[in-house]
Amino acid sequence: SAVISQKPSRDICQRGTSLTIQCQVDSQVTMMFWYRQQPGQSLTLIATANQGSEATYESGFVIDKFPISRPNLTFSTLTVSNMSPEDSSIYLCSVEGTGENIQYFGAGTRLSVL
Amino acid sequence: GEDVEQSLFLSVREGDSSVINCTYTDSSSTYLYWYKQEPGAGLQLLTYIFSNMDMKQDQRLTVLLNKKDKHLSLRIADTQTGDSAIYFCAESDRINTGKLIFGQGTTLQVKP
Repeated sequence: SAVISQKPSRDICQRGTSLTIQCQVDSQVTMMFWYRQQPGQSLTLIATANQGSEATYESGFVIDKFPISRPNLTFSTLTVSNMSPEDSSIYLCSVEGTGENIQYFGAGTRLSVL
Repeated sequence: GEDVEQSLFLSVREGDSSVINCTYTDSSSTYLYWYKQEPGAGLQLLTYIFSNMDMKQDQRLTVLLNKKDKHLSLRIADTQTGDSAIYFCAESDRINTGKLIFGQGTTLQVKP
């Protein structure tokens, strides 16, 4: 299985600021995904991070609010822009290797917005 | 649309078996998964089953799939206090996107 490092593990941010979350994998992977887990809730897919092209966003999520980069096959970032308290959640990166049908998750970034 | 439903809470005594149930709506789901989330941690893949299988066993874990009823269950034999966590069922439409649709999660409480 892939080893995924997510940074930061947690942060407390002020309203109106932005936070960039990093996801690093120890091997090249085809697919990388970003999920949000709101307090006491399940996981919802934000977007699929595509290497070399724009991310594919799910309904309800937009690039201006959640810009994503994926410069290579082992790294991606998610930015949470112009934060409000409603953005307080756990943000998780997941990866899927070539030929696999399994997604592995990072430990998540616990974000609190004041 | 796609939907995955789970009961929210299960309490068992240590040593008993736990059965966590899940229903899904997307008949095109090709893979179904069980993930475990311990407090303050990310998601750990426990097991998964391909849609053409009825059952899969892995040590203390048994997954049963009833494709006709779109029902999935996870049985944990000899439940231990370390099994206390939130268990998420998820389905994947591998043919189109590979995106996972998660249930709400079942909190398993194991009493000593």
